[in-house]
Amino acid sequence: QKEVEQDPGPLSVPEGAIVSLNCTYSNSAFQYFMWYRQYSRKGPELLMYTYSSGNKEDGRFTAQVDKSSKYISLFIRDSQPSDSATYLCAIARIKAAGNKLTFGGGTRVLVKP
Amino acid sequence: NAGVTQTPKFRILKIGQSMTLQCTQDMNHNYMYWYRQDPGMGLKLIYYSVGAGITDKGEVPNGYNVSRSTTEDFPLRLELAAPSQTSVYFCASKKDLKETQYFGPGTRLLVL
Repeated sequence: QKEVEQDPGPLSVPEGAIVSLNCTYSNSAFQYFMWYRQYSRKGPELLMYTYSSGNKEDGRFTAQVDKSSKYISLFIRDSQPSDSATYLCAIARIKAAGNKLTFGGGTRVLVKP
Repeated sequence: NAGVTQTPKFRILKIGQSMTLQCTQDMNHNYMYWYRQDPGMGLKLIYYSVGAGITDKGEVPNGYNVSRSTTEDFPLRLELAAPSQTSVYFCASKKDLKETQYFGPGTRLLVL
């Protein structure tokens, strides 16, 4: 079983719709959770990170963590064509050697004008 | 700050050739990482370093080597290129444990 599972998509939505992305993980030792956005032929860039269960908002983005279910989500409100990218979840244990991240496979999102 | 820079952007290698992928960061970050990303897959950790002179293996280290003689540089060496090493390679760095990783733009490598 993979440590982090993420639906590869692609996920196609009309402009203005809510985009809903999620990941599941298998190890309850993971303590912090991130979402990265990756445009085509670019490096990943951090969107959101959180250490705790619950919701965290940043503009149009909301990250949600449910540690009891080992489930994390990212919601994008009022989606724009510029949100078209691959979204990667990443999780980590703070005290792991080198503080390594474990990535999901990424979900491709296409927002159509 | 330039952030994390990687060279070259793209390279074609023949089977058995060697090359070094360069990574430099100007943010005085302690932690540095090398990942590979295959099509439709997430990033897999190859090697990482927690400071100058200290390196360790990640998830997929076979066929690669690294060194960290300075804080700024973390080169990745491929000794005998194989088609299975065709991938996009990303270098990343971060300051300390609770900070986020900053990624470079990547190096596309094709081994034929």
